[in-house]
Amino acid sequence: EPEVTQTPSHQVTQMGQEVILRCVPISNHLYFYWYRQILGQKVEFLVSFYNNEISEKSEIFDDQFSVERPDGSNFTLKIRSTKLEDSAMYFCASSERAGGLGGELFFGEGSRLTVL
Amino acid sequence: QKEVEQNSGPLSVPEGAIASLNCTYSDRGSQSFFWYRQYSGKSPELIMSIYSNGDKEDGRFTAQLNKASQYVSLLIRDSQPSDSATYLCAVGGATNKLIFGTGTLLAVQP
Repeated sequence: EPEVTQTPSHQVTQMGQEVILRCVPISNHLYFYWYRQILGQKVEFLVSFYNNEISEKSEIFDDQFSVERPDGSNFTLKIRSTKLEDSAMYFCASSERAGGLGGELFFGEGSRLTVL
Repeated sequence: QKEVEQNSGPLSVPEGAIASLNCTYSDRGSQSFFWYRQYSGKSPELIMSIYSNGDKEDGRFTAQLNKASQYVSLLIRDSQPSDSATYLCAVGGATNKLIFGTGTLLAVQP
């Protein structure tokens, strides 16, 4: 069964360092997303990506964050200068259609980011 | 601010009983509704989607949607200990994203 894969599963970094989280969405999906979940809190939307550009982003997704689809398979989230409050589980998701228009989002296993 | 509200629980039910999970949403323009299950430390796993008013059944799961009341529910029949997890309600509107509720923790007692 096709699945979304994410690497690394866990990354520990020092405050101020750059981090890149990688995702391989399901191959025939067109919409890609990053969500995050701080421990004990809800799953929060960060950004959606379609047709090689950001289609929507949340207030959390400030200038420290960027996304890229460097080739036909990978989808990356970069955090330029990590802060303590960036510590969270980051989930990549993909869907055939837009989530708001009925597209079912399928999530990867997540990348746990710990900022010290 | 578009909100999705769920009772955080825990909702405790005995094995074999029906578990009823509820969700309300604020955006009347919402068009798609999903239930995800999340085990501790794991990613959300899609259980069901529902788009029109009424009931939708899939095995032991039934999703119910009432757009007039802005209310979505999930019934789990013959609850099993393996159903113990956090159940997330997610709602989609006219944009690409889904907005998630805080989730309801379900505990099925053997």
